Parts: sequence; structure tokens; C-alpha cells
Amino acid sequence: DIQMTQSPFSLSASVGDRVTITCRTSQSIRNHLNWYQQKPGKAPEVLISAASSLQYGVPSRFSGSGSGTDFSLTISSLQPEDFATYYCQQSYDLPYTFGQGTKLEIK
Amino acid sequence: EVQLVESGGGLVQPGGSLRLSCAASGFTLSNYWMHWVRQAPGKGLVWVSRIKSDGSSTSYADSVKGRFTISRDNAKNTLYMQMNSLRAEDTAVYYCARDPDYGGYSDFDFWGQGTLVTVSS
Repeated sequence: DIQMTQSPFSLSASVGDRVTITCRTSQSIRNHLNWYQQKPGKAPEVLISAASSLQYGVPSRFSGSGSGTDFSLTISSLQPEDFATYYCQQSYDLPYTFGQGTKLEIK
Repeated sequence: EVQLVESGGGLVQPGGSLRLSCAASGFTLSNYWMHWVRQAPGKGLVWVSRIKSDGSSTSYADSVKGRFTISRDNAKNTLYMQMNSLRAEDTAVYYCARDPDYGGYSDFDFWGQGTLVTVSS
């Protein structure tokens, strides 16, 4: 199985901050990497697919980059609604695997 | 509007069975691969299973292989998961998710609200 190492585990930041979450995979997955946002009690929502493609309706302050084994999700200017848990997920090979999640909290 | 609505969760004893359903609306189910993903209380997301758009191919996580069976009825716009020999570690919210599988790329672009399965005596 492809192992996903997501960091940090948690992050405390303020509205307006720029934050970056990283995801490293145990083998190359080219750009088959997706990012999801999950709010408490809700289903996840896809933000970015294929490492850098912003999903329709997702604000442009979200961006993704990377290929191979190293990826990142950046939020350029945090808004109050962005405080949530973020997951990376590889769709290169079965079983599809997720990172352990990054909980983004208000400072 | 795309909607996925899961049902069938509940409390079951270890060794018991449950059948989850996921009713799809607002899109043509037969055009999409579909997945089940679960999340144990307070834990992260774990992929469980997927099924091809026409039902001809299925895959499972090792943790559920031989105990769970994914299926679909495109005429009824419904996805299923038959869960047998349930264990305490199967306790989780189960989500169905749509996969557009575009140009060889997969993601989960729509999710249901989830249904809670609790395995306990």
C-alpha cells in the first residue's frame, strides 16, 4: 500500500495568514493526488484534484502543487470558514489511501 | 442537484450483518464509478471499496475483503454495501462517494452525508 505522510498534524493560525500543508507519499504517484476539506459532522469536500486542479466553486485562495512524492496545499489568506480538517488522498493505486489529516484551528 | 443519501446504518452485534444503501439523484449513476469510504469516530478517512460504473469490476480494502460486498442497481439509482461478519473495528460512519474517473484520474467529487454503523454487544 502507498503510505501517506501528512504534516503538520495540527496547525494554529489567524484569519489572513498564509498556510501550507504538506503530503509525502511512499512512492511516486505522479500527480494522482487530491485534497479534501472536512468540517465537524459533515462529509468531506474535494478542493483540488490531480495535485493542482481547483474544483469548480472552490475559492482561488486554495492552491495545490507537487508531483512524484511531495505535494502541498496552500491557503493564501485564511478566512473564518477555512478552519477545518484537511486530508490528502492518492488515487494512483489501490487501495486508495488518505493522509492522517491536518486540523487547522483558529489562533 | 447532485445528491447521495445513505441509509441502513445502526447498531449490530459482533458477527452480525447490515446492508447499506446509497440513493443517487441529480445525475446518471451508470456513468460513474462509486466508492465507500469510512471514518471511525474521531479518526481519519479510510477507503473501503469501489465498483465500476457498470458493476463489472469491484475492489476492496484488505480489512473488509471476504466480508463486505459492494453492488449497484443502476436502474434503481442505488449503490449497496452488504456487510457480514461485522467486528467492533468496523464501527464508523460510512460514506458513499462519486468518482468521475476523468481521463484516468479519480477523485471523490460528491459525498453522501454518511450513515453510522456501530458494532457492539
